[in-house]
Amino acid sequence: DAGVIQSPRHEVTEMGQEVTLRCKPISGHDYLFWYRQTMMRGLELLIYFNNNVPIDDSGMPEDRFSAKMPNASFSTLKIQPSEPRDSAVYFCASSLKGTGASPLHFGNGTRLTVT
Amino acid sequence: AQSVAQPEDQVNVAEGNPLTVKCTYSVSGNPYLFWYVQYPNRGLQFLLKYITGDNLVKGSYGFEAEFNKSQTSFHLKKPSALVSDSALYFCAVREDSGYSTLTFGKGTMLLVSP
Repeated sequence: DAGVIQSPRHEVTEMGQEVTLRCKPISGHDYLFWYRQTMMRGLELLIYFNNNVPIDDSGMPEDRFSAKMPNASFSTLKIQPSEPRDSAVYFCASSLKGTGASPLHFGNGTRLTVT
Repeated sequence: AQSVAQPEDQVNVAEGNPLTVKCTYSVSGNPYLFWYVQYPNRGLQFLLKYITGDNLVKGSYGFEAEFNKSQTSFHLKKPSALVSDSALYFCAVREDSGYSTLTFGKGTMLLVSP
């Protein structure tokens, strides 16, 4: 199993530009999560999906952020327009359905730098 | 509401010595507890979990954790530390009823010196 795959690994963009982060979860996993990690705030849950349906997006910072999951094998997190304070490492994770005993499997993240 | 506390920002230990990384939690019902490790420029990696049963849980890379319900703790331990264990460690909790998202602690940096 290739694990959770994220692309790109690094993204450098200028303020005001649109940024799209991509994620391929582990095949067969029903839950998909987007997290953001910064030194100041640690790990923050942005949004999660169950069977491709967004369940809780209360962690999305503001309307500039949006996430989609058009099918079971692909999800995107978009920031438009980007701002320097969006600079962080963004992680995608997936897990099996069922009880909450299933651990999360994380990708290696996308390091976003907005100048 | 559920929460996790990792009281130490950093733990320093010499190679070969035992290590402990502390975690306490708060949930309304029964907890599912997890430990993850993060190496530089990598995602979090699952180490072990407590669901029910034996209070001592064994996981990857020789790590183990002890669940203590009365103290609401789930400390991570290893009998003999390796330099390669140096990494950021996260404790996480969710309630066992229905499906709730994982709540992560802020992380503890473990530094193992040669």
